[in-house]
Amino acid sequence: ETGVTQSPTHLIKTRGQQVTLRCSSQSGHNTVSWYQQALGQGPQFIFQYYREEENGRGNFPPRFSGLQFPNYSSELNVNALELDDSALYLCASSQDAGSGNTIYFGEGSWLTVV
Amino acid sequence: SQQGEEDPQALSIQEGENATMNCSYKTSINNLQWYRQNSGRGLVHLILIRSNEREKHSGRLRVTLDTSKKSSSLLITASRAADTASYFCATEGIGNEKLTFGTGTRLTIIP
Repeated sequence: ETGVTQSPTHLIKTRGQQVTLRCSSQSGHNTVSWYQQALGQGPQFIFQYYREEENGRGNFPPRFSGLQFPNYSSELNVNALELDDSALYLCASSQDAGSGNTIYFGEGSWLTVV
Repeated sequence: SQQGEEDPQALSIQEGENATMNCSYKTSINNLQWYRQNSGRGLVHLILIRSNEREKHSGRLRVTLDTSKKSSSLLITASRAADTASYFCATEGIGNEKLTFGTGTRLTIIP
């Protein structure tokens, strides 16, 4: 148990729809990162939020957006879903945004786009 | 894009044997981390080695880092069936604290 919780655990959406994934960070952690992991691949960095501000973004289109709330929980929103968005979405929290902080991952949300 | 490449992609060994996985990366790093992932679940942090370190131990795990070759290895000694999982290396870049993951090694321990 890492103390990072994600919801929902599984969901199925239709191409073109929108989805919101949620993450509660570990207590005391102010930094949340989101990763996309396609089947058989390593996770790929989507973006990071530090104290409610975006703090770095990977190579993902603008239809991937996020939020971090004052309690440091976070949401990942994906608009205009495409079939290739089918993946495991992982949330990770850390105590700070600096280098070398241990990162704790949640169990992920499995998204299937049909 | 993936920064690292793990080698081998898949490894099957008998319980009790040692397992070695290798990781190569492309750019300069602050640190390199190893993670474990059970089938389709979240990642578990195993060990972090900083760029100025060459070797680190944690229980049955031994990690080495060679920054001149941009490579790292993870050794699991006295393997157990419960070690069956995918193992990923991830690098933290200089001035860029995001983690860039490799493609993973699928380890199977045969009882």
